[in-house]
Amino acid sequence: QITLKESGPTLVKPTQTLTLTCTFSGFSFSTAGVGVGWIRQTPGRALEWLAVIYWDDVKSYSPSLKSRLTITKDTSKNQVVLTMASLDPVDTGTYFCAHRPYTDTTAGYYHHWGQGTLVTVSS
Amino acid sequence: EIVMTQSPVTLSVSPGEGATLSCWANPSFSTNYLAWYQRKPGQAPRLLIYGASTRAPDIPARFSGSRSGTEFTLTISSLQSEDFAVYYCQQYNNWPPSFGPGTTVDIK
Repeated sequence: QITLKESGPTLVKPTQTLTLTCTFSGFSFSTAGVGVGWIRQTPGRALEWLAVIYWDDVKSYSPSLKSRLTITKDTSKNQVVLTMASLDPVDTGTYFCAHRPYTDTTAGYYHHWGQGTLVTVSS
Repeated sequence: EIVMTQSPVTLSVSPGEGATLSCWANPSFSTNYLAWYQRKPGQAPRLLIYGASTRAPDIPARFSGSRSGTEFTLTISSLQSEDFAVYYCQQYNNWPPSFGPGTTVDIK
């Protein structure tokens, strides 16, 4: 059974950097094609894809947020960490990590998701 | 970046009735690289359909997906109480992946 769980601060001040951790079980990065991505949902907006890291440590970012995002993995801990710099109140929302199974396209879909963590950006 | 559109914004349905949700991409594409998700308040999104028409494991048969040309459709054949939720489509034909704004299916 695949599970993922997000953790991190619930309140962050504007201009600060957000660090979120995704801890997962039921799969590993030793499986070729596997990825873990981050997706968020901000108030009044649809789901927005942010970043993904693959089993081979290849990383990809949303073009509009690329300059602010960094994604890394710790295979020994089954964790993926997303950092987002220069936070603004518009970044307030629920942040999800999700398991990306192998697909024959670069983009991919997401099968198993964490419950999400609500992040509020406010002074 | 591909922009996804969904219709209708809200669909009011009585339990036991069917529901049809639509999704389009701009620019359009004619592959089957589209997924559907269900989202309930406070819960994780749930993958329903991938490859436009393949049900994810453990998804009831009342959920079905299809493509006609460049239009994608999610059909729920007979709504159960647990099906009232927001439904999102997501394209993975082009980079980066993108989601539609969602269709809310509520109780009539």
